[in-house]
Amino acid sequence: GEDVEQSLFLSVREGDSSVINCTYTDSSSTYLYWYKQEPGAGLQLLTYIFSNMDMKQDQRLTVLLNKKDKHLSLRIADTQTGDSAIYFCAETPNFNKFYFGSGTKLNVKP
Amino acid sequence: DAGVIQSPRHEVTEMGQEVTLRCKPISGHNSLFWYRQTMMRGLELLIYFNNNVPIDDSGMPEDRFSAKMPNASFSTLKIQPSEPRDSAVYFCASSITFGPSYEQYFGPGTRLTVT
Repeated sequence: GEDVEQSLFLSVREGDSSVINCTYTDSSSTYLYWYKQEPGAGLQLLTYIFSNMDMKQDQRLTVLLNKKDKHLSLRIADTQTGDSAIYFCAETPNFNKFYFGSGTKLNVKP
Repeated sequence: DAGVIQSPRHEVTEMGQEVTLRCKPISGHNSLFWYRQTMMRGLELLIYFNNNVPIDDSGMPEDRFSAKMPNASFSTLKIQPSEPRDSAVYFCASSITFGPSYEQYFGPGTRLTVT
């Protein structure tokens, strides 16, 4: 079955860039997603990338997609304490079932 | 739009009791998902519905768990009897199976504690 893997923790200092990495297995996924979960809340879509793109930029967020290596990354520029959360990578090969990674807990130190 | 609504937000119950979690998806969405989140296992998909029909329930842990979607605006997840290992946060999410990005919208979750 599909497998989405992420590292569990990342710690950065405020103002630095954060890079969260993800690997996935199903190359047929049309969209790949990054979701953010703040404490005590559900997941919220942060950004997504269409599989025929290799980069997408949205303000402080940059998503890079390497389809050959099945590698997705999320870069957050000028990381703020408010960015502390759990970040989930997800793919959806069949437009119904989503496969989420285990989540990367980002800790931003002041 | 109010978003996905889940109730209750918190539930504390004793082992052996029946627990019913409720979800109201976003109006117009035709897919609904139930997830469970724990520290040990992360986010697990339990079951999902498309147009009120259960499509994949392979993630349901065992027969103690059941889910229904009697209409497009309501779904329940029932655990009977409940056990301490069922303690988790249960999320409901809804989506629409057409559109540019096919996003899932999550509810705030129900934190279940079984003692």
